Amino acid sequence: ELKVEQNPLFLSMQEGKNYTIYCNYSTTSDRLYWYRQDPGKSLESLFVLLSNGAVKQEGRLMASLDTKARLSTLHITAAVHDLSATYFCAVDLDSNYQLIWGAGTKLIIKP
Amino acid sequence: GAVVSQHPSRVICKSGTSVKIECRSLDFQATTMFWYRQFPKQSLMLMATSNEGSKATYEQGVEKDKFLINHASLTLSTLTVTSAHPEDSSFYICSARADRDEYEQYFGPGTRLTVT
Repeated sequence: ELKVEQNPLFLSMQEGKNYTIYCNYSTTSDRLYWYRQDPGKSLESLFVLLSNGAVKQEGRLMASLDTKARLSTLHITAAVHDLSATYFCAVDLDSNYQLIWGAGTKLIIKP
Repeated sequence: GAVVSQHPSRVICKSGTSVKIECRSLDFQATTMFWYRQFPKQSLMLMATSNEGSKATYEQGVEKDKFLINHASLTLSTLTVTSAHPEDSSFYICSARADRDEYEQYFGPGTRLTVT
């Protein structure tokens, strides 16, 4: 059974700190996605990682993919309150483009 | 950019009635669209994959006669919740895979359904 596991599921941190969210998955896949969801809203695409070793950065967020370890990380640098949200990773099943979702990480950044 | 709209954004209906939710890709063609359901504080649950011009593929446990999906054009998919019950209350989100971009899915803003 394909599983996508995120940890932690909940993270409360102070502004200015660094932290990493981990996403492990159980099947071979070269495509991994990170999304952000604000309360009551839909999903916003953050990163699409398409190959082993892919690294993408946008502002204070950086995502990486290790397909051999079946692991992706989302690193937050010098967190600010505006980054408070729930972050989801998802893995693409090659055959039909369906996304298998992690449980989400609720991130609260305190001023 | 690639924009997906959903209508309505919120709907309240009475038990036993049917509700139709529209999902449109505004500036791209989408052969494939997906319908998700999300309960509070939970992840997304894929309900079905909708392909233009063919029958939708439903996930295990999703009643196809209750959740009718029609993908009649390359820019429009509809989800009809038939004979709605309070347990159908949820946040429904659609996404569309652009034909021009194999790897990206674009999400609609979601529809919050409340069945009284």
